[in-house]
Amino acid sequence: EAQVTQNPRYLITVTGKKLTVTCSQNMNHEYMSWYRQDPGLGLRQIYYSMNVEVTDKGDVPEGYKVSRKEKRNFPLILESPSPNQTSLYFCASSWTGTAYGYTFGSGTRLTVV
Amino acid sequence: AQSVTQLDSHVSVSEGTPVLLRCNYSSSYSPSLFWYVQHPNKGLQLLLKYTSAATLVKGINGFEAEFKKSETSFHLTKPSAHMSDAAEYFCVVSEGEGGGADGLTFGKGTHLIIQP
Repeated sequence: EAQVTQNPRYLITVTGKKLTVTCSQNMNHEYMSWYRQDPGLGLRQIYYSMNVEVTDKGDVPEGYKVSRKEKRNFPLILESPSPNQTSLYFCASSWTGTAYGYTFGSGTRLTVV
Repeated sequence: AQSVTQLDSHVSVSEGTPVLLRCNYSSSYSPSLFWYVQHPNKGLQLLLKYTSAATLVKGINGFEAEFKKSETSFHLTKPSAHMSDAAEYFCVVSEGEGGGADGLTFGKGTHLIIQP
């Protein structure tokens, strides 16, 4: 089944403790992206990747890092999480060319206390 | 630069009555437009997309949307609401080819409530 898989689904952590949210897709998509969803704000792009070893900042990159060493994986790294990063996070992938639409993961609900 | 405005944060309709979710966009180029649905505790699912072909686009679950360039609108409709349609709906605009920082711009969402 074609899908984007995120892990974990739920995570509660403490301020400053480094964490990684994994994202993997099995569709051989070139393009991958991370979004955060906050009430009343819709989805905002954090980082994106056009292909292996090619990443760039989205609208809200502060406090996040990403890497793209393999085509299928695009982990999101929070080096020192803070409470304002409490949010619902989505990974998405697509063929290059956004007219194809994006496939989204099921989301990771992160709480930083 | 592109932007999208969903005109209603909440819409409530009775089961069996029509649904209208309104979306206006702003784009410097010929945009691609999408509607996504998010059911509680689920990811986003693509309902339909417009990519400069037919202006009336049919999607899954009986939804359709009409691209009106003169009105810069892309409203989502369904003739008869079902209880399973209760969800959050996002209108999304994208300019041209290629992903990137302007790959997708999301509206703030419309929460659709279906009354029995």
